[in-house]
Amino acid sequence: QVQLQESGPGLVKPSETLSLTCTVSGGSINSGSYYWSWIRQPAGKGLEWTGRINTSGSTNYNPSLKSRVTISVDTSKNQFSLRLSSVTAADTAVYYCARDKSGYSGNDSMDVYYMDVWGKGTTVTVSS
Amino acid sequence: EIVLTQSPGTLSLSPGDRATLSCRASQSVSSSYLAWYQQKPGQAPRLLIYGASSRASGIPDRFSGSGSGTDFTLTISRLEPEDFALYYCQQYGSSPTWTFGQGTKVEIK
Repeated sequence: QVQLQESGPGLVKPSETLSLTCTVSGGSINSGSYYWSWIRQPAGKGLEWTGRINTSGSTNYNPSLKSRVTISVDTSKNQFSLRLSSVTAADTAVYYCARDKSGYSGNDSMDVYYMDVWGKGTTVTVSS
Repeated sequence: EIVLTQSPGTLSLSPGDRATLSCRASQSVSSSYLAWYQQKPGQAPRLLIYGASSRASGIPDRFSGSGSGTDFTLTISRLEPEDFALYYCQQYGSSPTWTFGQGTKVEIK
């Protein structure tokens, strides 16, 4: 069964770029028609979708973060990555990667929209 | 941008009680686009319901979802000790984007 694991620095300085990688195991990132999303959650707060990518490299970003976010995919390594530039303390959060199904499901014989597999999350603190 | 408002913020109930959680959208949302998640402290969210009313794989049948248009409901028919957690609704929007409600905490009374 597919599992996701986030990795990257736990501490980033203000104004620098946050970089995280999500490794997909137990299956190929190319299997099925999925997008691969990043979601973040500041301590004690709710969930905020950051953006997503599919294995063709098509991306969608949260409009509120779009100018600072880049998501990329490396299918040879079964990984996708997040870069967030010019970080501030407001970017301190737990960052999750997730498998994102948005479209036709053969199992359900209909269009479906959900995130069904999540990584455990990684905490990123922005501080000097 | 569609805003999802969840109520109540906190629900204080006892094991065995019925829990009714609300998710209201600022504009009409296709039922296909509405999902519910459970999150426990220190854990990632877990998919419970998609398409407003379809249970995800492995989810007990005490969890059910309903609603359409702007009003959606997650019902837990009889609370088990492991059900005390945070619950989020989520919708898939145009652009496309994903948005979440602010969450409802179900706590032990």
